[in-house]
Amino acid sequence: DVKVTQSSRYLVKRTGEKVFLECVQDMDHENMFWYRQDPGLGLRLIYFSYDVKMKEKGDIPEGYSVSREKKERFSLILESASTNQTSMYLCASSLLGADEKLFFGSGTQLSVL
Amino acid sequence: GENVGLHLPTLSVQEGDNSIINCAYSNSASDYFIWYKQESGKGPQFIIDIRSNMDKRQGQRVTVLLNKTVKHLSLQIAATQPGDSAVYFCAENMEGGSEKLVFGKGTKLTVNP
Repeated sequence: DVKVTQSSRYLVKRTGEKVFLECVQDMDHENMFWYRQDPGLGLRLIYFSYDVKMKEKGDIPEGYSVSREKKERFSLILESASTNQTSMYLCASSLLGADEKLFFGSGTQLSVL
Repeated sequence: GENVGLHLPTLSVQEGDNSIINCAYSNSASDYFIWYKQESGKGPQFIIDIRSNMDKRQGQRVTVLLNKTVKHLSLQIAATQPGDSAVYFCAENMEGGSEKLVFGKGTKLTVNP
């Protein structure tokens, strides 16, 4: 089975802090994604990556950046956390060129105080 | 794709009954659809998918039906069990590539013992 692991289940940070959310997948997937999930808004794509060292903006990239130094790892960075970034963050991966099925991690619930 | 959604936000059924969860989509060009299950505190889990050249696909205790005429997707769960209690949401893709998936907001299924 595909395993997508997010390093933290819960995080509490203060406004202005730099926050790193880490994600690792073990199935050699080319594609990796970061979403945020908010009540009433569903899943929204922040950033995605098709390959090492490449990244593409999703629908809501403002206030975020990403890093993909290794194929299996995709990091989401909040340069200066704000209260409106309190959310559930979901990492996902998929195979390049296959069907579009995403495999998700368990999520990181981030609270910014 | 922005109008991928659900007819009912909540659904309550008795254990052993069959459940039907509905999803409407707005873009007739969509050619790939997925159903996900998300249990409380967990990431979305892939259930079943279907392409637009099919109108029915069956899995273990689940069936997805696609009606392209009315742009409607449904997930049927046979002999619903307490472990099926979760939020279910559909996703559609009309352009290819996992980053193009558009997610519905979800239906919460509650199974009463």
